[in-house]
Amino acid sequence: ETGVTQSPTHLIKTRGQQVTLRCSSQSGHNTVSWYQQALGQGPQFIFQYYREEENGRGNFPPRFSGLQFPNYSSELNVNALELDDSALYLCASSQWPNNYGYTFGSGTRLTVV
Amino acid sequence: SQQGEEDPQALSIQEGENATMNCSYKTSINNLQWYRQNSGRGLVHLILIRSNEREKHSGRLRVTLDTSKKSSSLLITASRAADTASYFCADPYNTDKLIFGTGTRLQVFP
Repeated sequence: ETGVTQSPTHLIKTRGQQVTLRCSSQSGHNTVSWYQQALGQGPQFIFQYYREEENGRGNFPPRFSGLQFPNYSSELNVNALELDDSALYLCASSQWPNNYGYTFGSGTRLTVV
Repeated sequence: SQQGEEDPQALSIQEGENATMNCSYKTSINNLQWYRQNSGRGLVHLILIRSNEREKHSGRLRVTLDTSKKSSSLLITASRAADTASYFCADPYNTDKLIFGTGTRLQVFP
């Protein structure tokens, strides 16, 4: 049974550019959630995907968008990058309904310069 | 979903000591979960306690739940340097979305 895999592990982008982060969910999980974690803060919920549809969104602007694929893997896209988007982006998969907890990936460290 | 609020924000202890951190929440819980995060890494699920449970053990971890006080505590016994991490609590509460607080940063000195 594989865990959650995120790619890339590190990324440097220039302000105004676009970025795509990828996540492969754990086998048997049907739900993917994305989080943004700034240094010294707790993870902030961006959105969740279930059965390829967005199933809840946190307080993030529309330039943060996502996809979930039939194999339950997912992408997070961020357009028009800003310096404040620099953070650790975490992906977590779970099986809905969630009675056993989430499995997190190791994250993608995004730096916007 | 609801956000758990962890307390204290930071905790420093010596190896071998016990570490206790608390979590408070505002509404009913369903499946309260505790996670650990080593610096700059992903979160690791530690333990889940359901609303009809009062105490749960897993190795050196003990979690208690007091639904009347809307609080939970995580006790790590005989702490090790490797326990140095941030600890978070959260409950999806029927919406299957985990909302995290700022966590408790635990530092265990050798």
